[in-house]
Amino acid sequence: AQKITQTQPGMFVQEKEAVTLDCTYDTSDQSYGLFWYKQPSSGEMIFLIYQGSYDEQNATEGRYSLNFQKARKSANLVISASQLGDSAMYFCATYYGGSQGNLIFGKGTKLSVKP
Amino acid sequence: GAGVSQSPSNKVTEKGKDVELRCDPISGHTALYWYRQRLGQGLEFLIYFQGNSAPDKSGLPSDRFSAERTGESVSTLTIQRTQQEDSAVYLCASSLTSGGVYNEQFFGPGTRLTVL
Repeated sequence: AQKITQTQPGMFVQEKEAVTLDCTYDTSDQSYGLFWYKQPSSGEMIFLIYQGSYDEQNATEGRYSLNFQKARKSANLVISASQLGDSAMYFCATYYGGSQGNLIFGKGTKLSVKP
Repeated sequence: GAGVSQSPSNKVTEKGKDVELRCDPISGHTALYWYRQRLGQGLEFLIYFQGNSAPDKSGLPSDRFSAERTGESVSTLTIQRTQQEDSAVYLCASSLTSGGVYNEQFFGPGTRLTVL
């Protein structure tokens, strides 16, 4: 079964600094996708970034980048130049080719950005 | 509409009552998903629809839970004889299709269900 592990329940970062949120996954499939979502206190789920298992380059979207290390089965999210508005829950999720369609989520990391 | 909408936004009910939660996906999205998020937890998959059919209902936590979708649009999640452990935020998401490995799901704002 697919599984996502996020080992950091909470993280603090100083405004304007970079932070890395850890995510490891467990799958025997060759074809899968990895997603990061942000959930502010308002509760909405906001898509941030995607990495496909066959993508050779790390995905980047603005201040977000994904440090994808396939051999280690890790897909860490790097947020550069943190802003106060980045304070939120962050969820790593996976979707694999043989799935029934749903995303499998980790338990999340609560990021707090300090001024 | 511009995004996924859900109603009601909040629902408080008494134990044993039935509740219906509604989801309106993004127009043109054929796949629709229901997730449950308990307080402080990640998202737990419940069921998904491709078109009007639900290929696998094994994610539903009990036979008190059921869902339907009509006309490849609106979906309703029904919880019968609610229990206190059903208290959670119920999130709906939609995507263009459920095929392939790129499956960006767009989420609604959720329905917060409280069972007293």
